[in-house]
Amino acid sequence: GAGVSQSPSNKVTEKGKDVELRCDPISGHTALYWYRQRLGQGLEFLIYFQGNSAPDKSGLPSDRFSAERTGESVSTLTIQRTQQEDSAVYLCASSHTLGVDTQYFGPGTRLTVL
Amino acid sequence: AQKVTQAQTEISVVEKEDVTLDCVYETRDTTYYLFWYKQPPSGELVFLIRRNSFDEQNEISGRYSWNFQKSTSSFNFTITASQVVDSAVYFCALRITSGSARQLTFGSGTQLTVLP
Repeated sequence: GAGVSQSPSNKVTEKGKDVELRCDPISGHTALYWYRQRLGQGLEFLIYFQGNSAPDKSGLPSDRFSAERTGESVSTLTIQRTQQEDSAVYLCASSHTLGVDTQYFGPGTRLTVL
Repeated sequence: AQKVTQAQTEISVVEKEDVTLDCVYETRDTTYYLFWYKQPPSGELVFLIRRNSFDEQNEISGRYSWNFQKSTSSFNFTITASQVVDSAVYFCALRITSGSARQLTFGSGTQLTVLP
């Protein structure tokens, strides 16, 4: 079946602009995660959605970052007033939450802030 | 807090050599899961294996094998008879099961280059 999809694949923006990144999880997966990967580094957790529960926002680096999810479907990560240090690949993952929930990742959105 | 350390930043081998990627983790939880992911140049993370903390049996899948040793908090990954297509960044990750935290804690990755 279809995997996790993300759009756009690449985004170049100017400092101070807002950006929206989209994630479509695998159908039937109730959990959705956003991670950030800076160049040459591992993945940093940003936010986690599980069904209709309140999201776990503990990884969001500042109040410029926010995310929404409609039910168990699409999620949007918004970065307001982008800064150069926001440049990174933003990866989305989804999983079942019944039993062990292996996370399956999308191809990511490469964000470049000029 | 959890931590995953992949001390090898880069490894370069010649095709057909065996190579082991090290992973050391830290957690106070007694129940947890360990993962390995592969990130080829295309960028998409590919799931390789999941192991729970109660199962220390080593696993082999084709040319891949994993050695989980709870006593040393290590979960090492060996590729036998490496191939050029194995060139990628490999990440080790940890997820605890207590509380509501379900995110993965990743190591910084090991860049493996297999030369022809």
